[in-house]
Amino acid sequence: QVQLLQSGAEVKIPGASVKVSCKASGYTFTSYVIHWVRQAPGQTLEWMGWINPGNLNTKFSQKFQGRVTITRDTSATTAYMELSNLRSEDTAVYYCARMSFGGMIVFDYWGQGTLVTVSS
Amino acid sequence: QSVLTQPPSVSGAPGQRITISCTGRSSNIGAGYDVHWYQQVPGTAPKLLIYGNTNRPSGVPDRVSGSKSGTSASLAITGLQAEDEADYYCQSYDSRLSVVFGGGTKLTVL
Repeated sequence: QVQLLQSGAEVKIPGASVKVSCKASGYTFTSYVIHWVRQAPGQTLEWMGWINPGNLNTKFSQKFQGRVTITRDTSATTAYMELSNLRSEDTAVYYCARMSFGGMIVFDYWGQGTLVTVSS
Repeated sequence: QSVLTQPPSVSGAPGQRITISCTGRSSNIGAGYDVHWYQQVPGTAPKLLIYGNTNRPSGVPDRVSGSKSGTSASLAITGLQAEDEADYYCQSYDSRLSVVFGGGTKLTVL
């Protein structure tokens, strides 16, 4: 069965960087785009960007341009999201999500989420 | 505020029918982009409920339905059950902003 397993919770100080991993299993990793979405406490979902593991194409929300990097390791079937220059407003649960087949940008499977806390 | 507008909360008694609206604009829903719905129980990841405006993934009961018209979409749940209590989010694509979500609606089963 399809699974996306994310790395554990992180605590960072302002100005630091965080790298969250998302290990995929149960399907062909290079055939599906992986998106990253975050959710601040009590807030809605916020799209950050995506990577196509098959051809390395990426796209990012303008809000995070310059601060976010999304990469992948095909041998490990793992996608990574790195966010730099962290501030307190970046405290959130970060999710990876698989984009379903068929051209629609819809997320059929989600990781369990990774809580990133930014605090001095 | 979010690009897609949802009511902050809705409620209904067991067995009743509720609807949740999702209002966008000409650059997203009104441009013809599909609307999708997710259910999120607090503390867990979102779960896909409706995709492509009206389609249910396998495992989602047929008392859940979606519709879309013009710049808006709606999620309906009939025969409300206690297990439906959760937060619901609509999602679409915006030609200027890429992927966009609604602000979320908290469903309370009375």
